[in-house]
Amino acid sequence: DIQMTQSPSSLSASVGDRVTITCRASQSISSYLNWYQQKPGKAPNLLIYAASSLQSGVPSRFSGSGSGTDFTLTISSLQPEDFATYYCQQSYSSLATFGGGTKVEIK
Amino acid sequence: QITLKESGPTLVKPTQTLTLTCTFSGFSLSTSGVGVGWIRQPPGKALEWLALIFWDDDKRYSPSLENRLTITKDTSKNQVVLTVTNMDPVDTATYYCAHRGLVVGTTYNWFDPWGQGTLVTVSS
Repeated sequence: DIQMTQSPSSLSASVGDRVTITCRASQSISSYLNWYQQKPGKAPNLLIYAASSLQSGVPSRFSGSGSGTDFTLTISSLQPEDFATYYCQQSYSSLATFGGGTKVEIK
Repeated sequence: QITLKESGPTLVKPTQTLTLTCTFSGFSLSTSGVGVGWIRQPPGKALEWLALIFWDDDKRYSPSLENRLTITKDTSKNQVVLTVTNMDPVDTATYYCAHRGLVVGTTYNWFDPWGQGTLVTVSS
């Protein structure tokens, strides 16, 4: 199965900061990469699909890029409601796999 | 509007079989391309994909758990059922079901939305 590795596992940032999270696949997955946001006690919420397509209703400060094995989620200006854990997920294979998560905390 | 909700026991004993039901609305599991997946999350840990069932009854399972998982659907009831045999304390987790969406005309797909999740504890 395809392994997904996220980095960093956690980061501290301030409101207004630009934040970048990286996800690497163990093999090429073209653009079959999704990003989710999860807040404590809540189910994950889809942010980005197909590597760079913004899900309806998601603020434009979120963006995704990459293809092949290396992908990036960027938050252009971190807002208080963005403190959460972020997961990548490959959908290239019908055997889906998630990354280990990146927790974004308040500095 | 698509909604999903998980139901089942909150506590099971080691070696028992867990049966979870996902009841959904807002879509039909007989529509081409549609699927429902199960994902779990142990307390404080990452998401782990478990199983997926497609509109045509095709099924996929996590290789690490395949021999313990069974996923079925009842299209008339808008339900998907996941069974997990031989439960162990390490299977303690919040179990989520989610709608598998896709871009029409492509194979790009994702899980959205998700149910609220149900916490299952395995303990004697």
